[in-house]
Amino acid sequence: QGQMQQSGAELVKPGASVKLSCKTSGFTFSSSYISWLKQKPGQSLEWIAWIYAGTGGTSYNQKFTGKAQLTVDTSSSTAYMQFSSLTTEDSAIYYCARHGGNYGYWYFDVWGAGTTVTVSS
Amino acid sequence: QIVLTQSPAIMSASPGEKVTMTCSASSSVSYMYWYQQKPGSSPRLLIYDTSNLASGVPVRFSGSGSGTSYSLTISRMEAEDAATYYCQQWSSYPPTFGAGTKLELK
Repeated sequence: QGQMQQSGAELVKPGASVKLSCKTSGFTFSSSYISWLKQKPGQSLEWIAWIYAGTGGTSYNQKFTGKAQLTVDTSSSTAYMQFSSLTTEDSAIYYCARHGGNYGYWYFDVWGAGTTVTVSS
Repeated sequence: QIVLTQSPAIMSASPGEKVTMTCSASSSVSYMYWYQQKPGSSPRLLIYDTSNLASGVPVRFSGSGSGTSYSLTISRMEAEDAATYYCQQWSSYPPTFGAGTKLELK
């Protein structure tokens, strides 16, 4: 089934950047699509972007273009998301999740535990 | 983007009771996916491709629907089913989620 281990909570100042990590195991990372999603307290989920670990190809939600940047390190089976120019509106839990299903008709079948990002001066 | 409207927003059910919640899409979608999320936990996939049970999901859960109207049913409510349920589509970009249905134990 696989596992996705996310990095610890972050407290960052407005205007700063943060880089979150998602270390995977138990499945073939290099042939996987990985998405990042945002969930504010008491709210639903919002898709940010996906990355294909085999090539580094990406697709972003237009809302997060220029805000989020996804990368991977295939040697350690780890996906990263860098989030820049943070504001208080970026305070949320960020999840990484593996894609299941066929290309373009995806769902999220393995989830990380989430990383809480708090933006505060 | 496709907006998914879930109803009801909050509901309660007694143990053994049948539960049905719905998800309405603003445009037709090919498939619907359903997730369960408990407080302090990450979402868990329940249903994929509208009606297929994800691995390890109890058979009391089922999904159905087509076009713009989909539903998730729990045949007999159990205490462990108290959670928030989200529907999700990826028939068009960006993939979107409904606002959720919070299911409480009566």
